[in-house]
Parts: sequence; structure tokens; C-alpha cells
Amino acid sequence: AQTVTQSQPEMSVQEAETVTLSCTYDTSESDYYLFWYKQPPSRQMILVIRQEAYKQQNATENRFSVNFQKAAKSFSLKISDSQLGDAAMYFCAYRSPILTGGGNKLTFGTGTQLKVEL
Amino acid sequence: DTAVSQTPKYLVTQMGNDKSIKCEQNLGHDTMYWYKQDSKKFLKIMFSYNNKELIINETVPNRFSPKSPDKAHLNLHINSLELGDSAVYFCASSQQWGTDTQYFGPGTRLTVL
Repeated sequence: AQTVTQSQPEMSVQEAETVTLSCTYDTSESDYYLFWYKQPPSRQMILVIRQEAYKQQNATENRFSVNFQKAAKSFSLKISDSQLGDAAMYFCAYRSPILTGGGNKLTFGTGTQLKVEL
Repeated sequence: DTAVSQTPKYLVTQMGNDKSIKCEQNLGHDTMYWYKQDSKKFLKIMFSYNNKELIINETVPNRFSPKSPDKAHLNLHINSLELGDSAVYFCASSQQWGTDTQYFGPGTRLTVL
């Protein structure tokens, strides 16, 4: 079974600075999907960014970018020019390419609580 | 426009009661999911439906029974509620069974007293 590990329960960043959240995963599959979701205090789960494992190019969405290291099974999220609205719990998630046997589901890490300070 | 909606947003009830949570998506998606987020904020899949057919059932107690009356709706009924059922329940949907991106509803916070 796949596992997703987020080793940083909490992180802090100063407004306008850059912060990187770590995520590692364990899988024997070669093609899969990785995601970062944001959960602000409102509790809504918001998709931040996604990465397809067969693509070597790192995904980017405005101030959010990933560093995808397939061999190392690492998928970190970089937030540039941090804003107060970025304060939230961030979850890394994995989705198997296998659609049978319960494969079409998201496996989540335990989350990293990001605090943004003035 | 709300893409994935859930009712109610908050649910407080006594142990032993039966309750339902409703989910609706207006995205035209074929696949819907239920996830549970526990008190430590850990999220785990419970069920998945594709075109009203149950596909994933992740070792969830029989007291939990999902029902999909049509592709746009996925309800979760819970019998004989226990203290350990207290959690936030999220509904999600994706365009098709093989589509990777899932969109989440706002969650329902269930508190069992």
C-alpha cells in the first residue's frame, strides 16, 4: 500500500518570504499523480497544485510550485511571496494509476500547519 | 455557484441515534467519494461511487451505508452512532472514474455526545 509522509507538523514563514513544505511517499508504481491540498480554518479542501509522475517538468501555479524528485520519491511545495491568506493546513496526497482494487482514491499525508507571520 | 455542497455543515447528536449527511455536485461528474477526517486531521477514503455504482468500500463498519440516488447525489447514512464517529466528513467528486483530480465539498462536522 502506498504511504505519504509529511514530516513537518508545523511551519512558520514571514509574510513575503518563501517557504517549502516537504512530502515523501512510498510506492512501487511508476506512473501516478501527486497533489497538494490546502485546508484553511474554513475547513474547505482546496486543490493547490497537481503533478503527473510521467511529466518531468515541475508543476507551477502562480506563487505555488513543486519540486518533484521521482527517484527520491519526494514532492515538496514551495510557496513564494507568502501571504496571510496562505495560512492553512497543507496536505500532500497520492493517487494510484490503478483504477481497480480500490486504486482510484487519494491517500493523504498527515498535513503541515503553515503559519504566516507579519 | 457551489460545485460540491453538503448538508448539514454541522451535526450534533446523541450516541445511538441514526443520522444522514447529503452531498450534491453540479459539475456533471460521474464519480463521487466520501472521506473521513478524524480529530488529528487525518483524511481517509471511506467510499467511492461511479455512475451510482459502489466501487470502493474501505473497511468501514456496516453502520455506515452510502446511497447514490443519481450521479449528482451521494448520501451517507450512519446507524447507531458512536463517540468514535465524531469527525468531519467530506464529499468529493471527479469527472470520471479515471480522472485524477477530485473536488471537495465544505465538509460536515459530526459531533456525537
